[in-house]
Amino acid sequence: KAGVTQTPRYLIKTRGQQVTLSCSPISGHRSVSWYQQTPGQGLQFLFEYFSETQRNKGNFPGRFSGRQFSNSRSEMNVSTLELGDSALYLCASSFGPGRTSSGTGELFFGEGSRLTVL
Amino acid sequence: KQEVTQIPAALSVPEGENLVLNCSFTDSAIYNLQWFRQDPGKGLTSLLLIQSSQREQTSGRLNASLDKSSGRSTLYIAASQPGDSATYLCAVFFNKFYFGSGTKLNVKP
Repeated sequence: KAGVTQTPRYLIKTRGQQVTLSCSPISGHRSVSWYQQTPGQGLQFLFEYFSETQRNKGNFPGRFSGRQFSNSRSEMNVSTLELGDSALYLCASSFGPGRTSSGTGELFFGEGSRLTVL
Repeated sequence: KQEVTQIPAALSVPEGENLVLNCSFTDSAIYNLQWFRQDPGKGLTSLLLIQSSQREQTSGRLNASLDKSSGRSTLYIAASQPGDSATYLCAVFFNKFYFGSGTKLNVKP
C-alpha cells in the first residue's frame, strides 16, 4: 500500500517567485493537512482539507493557499516567496478528522518538500 | 486553546536503558493522541495511536499511556538502541491536530 507521496522533494526558488507543492494521500484517505517545519518554529499547521473543503486554517498570511481535488490529491501554493518561507513542508493524510466510521483518524505523513528561498 | 508540551527537549542515554518521554496537554477534550518519530530531514513516522477511550497502546518495545483527566501521556521505550535516536513528537486531536515541539533522543552505543 503506497504511503503519502509529496512532490517535488527538493526545490530552490528566489524571492518573489511562487511555488506549488503536491501531495497524494494514501488510497482511501479523504483528509489532507499541510504543515510547515522550521528549526526555530517547529511544526506549524497551515491548513486541512476534507472532501475538497477547507476545514481548518492556521495563522499564515494569504500568500499561502491550498486546494484539494476530487481524487483527494492536494496542492499548496506559496506566492511572492520570502526568505523566511524556507522550510520543510509536510503533508499528512487520514481517513477523516478525528474518528470516523472509516477509521481512527490516524495521521500519516509524507517525506516532505524541502523549499529553499534565495 | 490547546497547548501541547514535551519534556525534556533533549535526552541522551546509554544503549540498553529504559526511558520515558513525557507529553502534556492543557485541554482534556481530545479524540485521540498520537506519537511520532522523526529522523533528520525526514517526515514523521507514526508510532502509536491511542483513542480517547483507551489507556495504553503497545508496539514492540514501545508502550504509550494516556491519562486524559490529568492531561498527560508517556511513551516508554524499553532497552533503547542507537537506532532509536530521533526526535519524538506527540500530537493530540480535537478538531485538528496540535503538536508538541518534540524530545530529541540520542542513544549512545
